[in-house]
Amino acid sequence: GQSLEQPSEVTAVEGAIVQINCTYQTSGFYGLSWYQQHDGGAPTFLSYNALDGLEETGRFSSFLSRSDSYGYLLLQELQMKDSASYFCAVDEYIFGTGTRLKVLA
Amino acid sequence: DAMVIQNPRYQVTQFGKPVTLSCSQTLNHNVMYWYQQKSSQAPKLLFHYYDKDFNNEADTPDNFQSRRPNTSFCFLDIRSPGLGDAAMYLCATSGLTSNQPQHFGDGTRLSIL
Repeated sequence: GQSLEQPSEVTAVEGAIVQINCTYQTSGFYGLSWYQQHDGGAPTFLSYNALDGLEETGRFSSFLSRSDSYGYLLLQELQMKDSASYFCAVDEYIFGTGTRLKVLA
Repeated sequence: DAMVIQNPRYQVTQFGKPVTLSCSQTLNHNVMYWYQQKSSQAPKLLFHYYDKDFNNEADTPDNFQSRRPNTSFCFLDIRSPGLGDAAMYLCATSGLTSNQPQHFGDGTRLSIL
């Protein structure tokens, strides 16, 4: 089967940098995606890694290492509005366990 | 402008009474997905369509069925809702290639009385 594990909760302060990890066990996939979901809202797409390495999109970056079965989402210059749940996903429809990010003032 | 529209936003039904949730899209995407999401959990894929090619996840209960009459619309039918089916139901669309992100609707929150 396929599974993607994430830390359940991460807390950081405004302006800080935070990394949300995703470790996976899967037989093969095209790419690793990241989604943000605010309470009561729908998931919204943040980033996608088809190849190993770092992808940067504004304050958000995502990293993939297939050899290590590992990826992460990096959020810089944290803002209060970044408080949300973050999910990694493979092949667009197998979601990780999710990480709830709390940003403190 | 909303591109993936789910109706209704909130749905209440009685235990055992059939209910249908609807989803429409203006993106002309080939792929449509239905997810179930319970509180503090990840979205769980129920079905997806590549055009009209229907794909049922192995652990989706028989109580759940889906229809896609055309590219724009997709329906989720719950034949006999139980208390455990109370959840947020999310519809999403994407293009055909592997790097296409999903676009989600705002979801329908289903409550069972």
